[in-house]
Amino acid sequence: ETGVTQSPTHLIKTRGQQVTLRCSSQSGHNTVSWYQQALGQGPQFIFQYYREEENGRGNFPPRFSGLQFPNYSSELNVNALELDDSALYLCASRRDRANYGYTFGSGTRLTVV
Amino acid sequence: QQQVKQSPQSLIVQKGGISIINCAYENTAFDYFPWYQQFPGKGPALLIAIRPDVSEKKEGRFTISFNKSAKQFSLHIMDSQPGDSATYFCAASNPSNTGKLIFGQGTTLQVKP
Repeated sequence: ETGVTQSPTHLIKTRGQQVTLRCSSQSGHNTVSWYQQALGQGPQFIFQYYREEENGRGNFPPRFSGLQFPNYSSELNVNALELDDSALYLCASRRDRANYGYTFGSGTRLTVV
Repeated sequence: QQQVKQSPQSLIVQKGGISIINCAYENTAFDYFPWYQQFPGKGPALLIAIRPDVSEKKEGRFTISFNKSAKQFSLHIMDSQPGDSATYFCAASNPSNTGKLIFGQGTTLQVKP
């Protein structure tokens, strides 16, 4: 197993811009979730994909969107960046809906200036 | 009802001592309670987890105690070591709600040599 890898590790964007963060899950992990972790806080659930369809969403506006691909990779897109979007974005995957054992990536640190 | 409350916010323990972190939840539909360990610059890593049908689970130096009636659970780290210095998050999951993880606010543990 290769774990969950995220890219890039760090990113600086200007307010109003758009950003795409990428995640590569372990082979066979059909479920991928994205979390936002503000400094000093616990991760907050953004949304989840199961077999390329969104099957859950947290309290985040529509400018946060995602995709999951058949090769176990996924994307998080954020439009119209705001200063409060500055955070660590974490991708987590698991084998299927019956298995609760999520594996997290190391995250992408996004700074919006 | 979706909150998980964690305490203390920070904890300092001498090497060899016992570290205790507590969490409380409201939603009785939660049925999976993991603890995650996070080092700076890394994503959360699953440490140990428990289901509500048992009151205690032990893995090495780490023990979860679970009190279903009080809706509380705690992590005990026995013989704490400087390498245990990290941020610890409790979490809870509801299988009827995508299985997303609801995280506590985190506890920063420092183990002094």
